[in-house]
Amino acid sequence: EDQVTQSPEALRLQEGESSSLNCSYTVSGLRGLFWYRQDPGKGPEFLFTLYSAGEEKEKERLKATLTKKESFLHITAPKPEDSATYLCAVQAKGRRALTFGSGTRLQVQP
Amino acid sequence: EAQVTQNPRYLITVTGKKLTVTCSQNMNHEYMSWYRQDPGLGLRQIYYSMNVEVTDKGDVPEGYKVSRKEKRNFPLILESPSPNQTSLYFCASSLSIGVVAGEQYFGPGTRLTVT
Repeated sequence: EDQVTQSPEALRLQEGESSSLNCSYTVSGLRGLFWYRQDPGKGPEFLFTLYSAGEEKEKERLKATLTKKESFLHITAPKPEDSATYLCAVQAKGRRALTFGSGTRLQVQP
Repeated sequence: EAQVTQNPRYLITVTGKKLTVTCSQNMNHEYMSWYRQDPGLGLRQIYYSMNVEVTDKGDVPEGYKVSRKEKRNFPLILESPSPNQTSLYFCASSLSIGVVAGEQYFGPGTRLTVT
């Protein structure tokens, strides 16, 4: 059974204080790992897809990395508008369904 | 504007009364999917569809039905809703690349309460 565990559940940062969110996964062969951002009352918004260990993707203050067991979402010098819940999901080889983690709720205070 | 729309956005109903939540996308996407989101459990996939007339079960399909008669529409049907189906529901679509679900666009959500 595919499993995705995100940590921490919640994180509070000061503006400019860099940090990382963790996504640990267990799948029988990884097809892809996805990061999404979800604002309160809205649907998730796609951020990144990672396909293989060692791959990195960047977008503004966000950088996603992937190893064989986990992915990190690094947030550099965050701003209050980065406050949201960040979701990680995996797709296993041979499956077309996605498995999501419970998310990390990030709050960035000015 | 590229978007996924869902209707209704909010629905309160009673146990056993059949209901349909509609989902439509205007991006000509092949892949569409339904999720439910519950506190502490995250997003769980109910059903997905790779193309017209092709649907398959996700992780929590019990109590739900879907159909894909047109590429743009993917309704979710609850034949006999029960209180444990009270949840926030999201429809999503993506341009399928091979067998990878790809970047998914999510709708705004439908908050369903079954009493």
